Amino acid sequence: KAGVTQTPRYLIKTRGQQVTLSCSPISGHRSVSWYQQTPGQGLQFLFEYFSETQRNKGNFPGRFSGRQFSNSRSEMNVSTLELGDSALYLCASSPAGRVDYGYTFGSGTRLTVV
Amino acid sequence: DQQVKQNSPSLSVQEGRISILNCDYTNSMFDYFLWYKKYPAEGPTFLISISSIKDKNEDGRFTVFLNKSAKHLSLHIVPSQPGDSAVYFCAASEGGGTSYGKLTFGQGTILTVHP
Repeated sequence: KAGVTQTPRYLIKTRGQQVTLSCSPISGHRSVSWYQQTPGQGLQFLFEYFSETQRNKGNFPGRFSGRQFSNSRSEMNVSTLELGDSALYLCASSPAGRVDYGYTFGSGTRLTVV
Repeated sequence: DQQVKQNSPSLSVQEGRISILNCDYTNSMFDYFLWYKKYPAEGPTFLISISSIKDKNEDGRFTVFLNKSAKHLSLHIVPSQPGDSAVYFCAASEGGGTSYGKLTFGQGTILTVHP
């Protein structure tokens, strides 16, 4: 059974640019969550999508957005990149977004903003 | 406001001995707790979880204890093995079926198991 696939693994962008990251969940999973990991703030929840609808959102500015497609694949977009957006971005796949059903994380996309 | 705290940034133990990782939380609404292990350049891997209706859960070498009155949980690894060396994250969720993907993580504890 394939795991959670995130692409690309590494990305270098310039301040002011925008970036799109992709996450393909485990087959059959309909919930995808996104997290940002930085040395200072740790792992922080960005948002969750289920059946193409955003159901939950963390405390991040509007520059961070996402979407989910009918095949459950999800993308997150960061516009007007800032140096502080440099982080490891992780997505987590779940059958239904319930914690007791478990969340499986991908290996992440390492974004560096220069 | 850090709702989940892991006050020990690092822990070093000898192979074969017990590793005890601690976690404190402040949000009374948390009702489900999880431990994840993370290696560099990889995503977190689920280890074990516990619901707030229990005070202990075991899975092989891993046991998680929950003390709700103290808002404290701990992960015991017995016996510790060098392959257990990684960063361990404590995470919490509220709302059970309405958690909708949101976990609140601690800052992590780096465990090093020496042969």
